[in-house]
Amino acid sequence: AQSVTQLDSQVPVFEEAPVELRCNYSSSVSVYLFWYVQYPNQGLQLLLKYLSGSTLVESINGFEAEFNKSQTSFHLRKPSVHISDTAEYFCAVPNQAGTALIFGKGTTLSVSS
Amino acid sequence: EPEVTQTPSHQVTQMGQEVILRCVPISNHLYFYWYRQILGQKVEFLVSFYNNEISEKSEIFDDQFSVERPDGSNFTLKIRSTKLEDSAMYFCASSEQTVRPGELFFGEGSRLTVL
Repeated sequence: AQSVTQLDSQVPVFEEAPVELRCNYSSSVSVYLFWYVQYPNQGLQLLLKYLSGSTLVESINGFEAEFNKSQTSFHLRKPSVHISDTAEYFCAVPNQAGTALIFGKGTTLSVSS
Repeated sequence: EPEVTQTPSHQVTQMGQEVILRCVPISNHLYFYWYRQILGQKVEFLVSFYNNEISEKSEIFDDQFSVERPDGSNFTLKIRSTKLEDSAMYFCASSEQTVRPGELFFGEGSRLTVL
């Protein structure tokens, strides 16, 4: 069965510090991987996705994630975070039938000055 | 920019009452979903809907839940007899393609509080 595991429930960091949010996946079919972000009191928004091709994918706000097949990981990174990056981050993978996204438990990123 | 809209934003109800949560997906999208998020927990899949029928449902989506697309724009989630444990944020989502490789667009959620 398809699943994702987010190893960290909370990650507190200071502004301008680098951050890595970890995600490991389990998939028996072709892998598509997603990171979604949920800002306070809002719905989920797609941050970036891996479908095929280059294993390094980037978002418009400086986040990147690297698909690592050997380690079954899709960790999210940013070299320098801002206060505005404070949010809940969810890793996701399609179910086997491709009819729904399965989300991880989420990682709360808290950026302070 | 097109968006998914949900109403109500917050509903308080008594245990045993029926609740209908409404969603207006993005107009050219074909696939529709309901998810829920109990406070402090993960986002859980409830049901997906395509071509006027359920394409997938989770074990959470039991007989007390139903979905409907009553017209060309609305997509509703009905809970027939609410329980305390139904208290959660319910998110509607829609997509133009399937989740492989389509992107899901989420609404801002409807918070349901069951007393």
